[in-house]
Amino acid sequence: KNEVEQSPQNLTAQEGEFITINCSYSVGISALHWLQQHPGGGIVSLFMLSSGKKKHGRLIATINIQEKHSSLHITASHPRDSAVYICAFTRGSQGNLIFGKGTKLSVKP
Amino acid sequence: KAGVTQTPRYLIKTRGQQVTLSCSPISGHRSVSWYQQTPGQGLQFLFEYFSETQRNKGNFPGRFSGRQFSNSRSEMNVSTLELGDSALYLCASSLGGGVLSGNTIYFGEGSWLTVV
Repeated sequence: KNEVEQSPQNLTAQEGEFITINCSYSVGISALHWLQQHPGGGIVSLFMLSSGKKKHGRLIATINIQEKHSSLHITASHPRDSAVYICAFTRGSQGNLIFGKGTKLSVKP
Repeated sequence: KAGVTQTPRYLIKTRGQQVTLSCSPISGHRSVSWYQQTPGQGLQFLFEYFSETQRNKGNFPGRFSGRQFSNSRSEMNVSTLELGDSALYLCASSLGGGVLSGNTIYFGEGSWLTVV
């Protein structure tokens, strides 16, 4: 079983919709990251969370440590949000990221 | 300021050959990590370097190696290439402390390796 599971795998939305991507993990972690990957490969780090909630523009990330669950929300989605969103975590003192399989988001105009 | 630069961006190699990929981190960043991305396995951690020392290593065979120079630039090498090594290889840099420090991680555009 993967240590980190994302859902859904694929998501199609209409422009303006509120989007939620979920990430569940099965081990204790030190931090959880949300990443965005556009076609062509480049990855952008969106958030790093160890507790609570963070907001940046239309993006909101939350984490519940007790439930081992994190969500990424996109408000007022736009076609330029179309990308693969990946959650990843670090564990203890190990400085390596363990990745989910990603959620492919397509926002239609 | 310049982002993380990876070279070459695209390359094709033959089975059995070896390849060296280069990563220039953002100026002032001392932590460099490498990742492999394939359609089947997704993103996997290869290794992390900090101040010329390998700090962490993923679960890859010894054919995969890397190093970091005093200017923080890093190279990774894959020897005796196999078809399964075809992948996007990504490098990321951050200020001291790597992914545990809370500093933002910056990724390069990646090097697309095809092994034929």
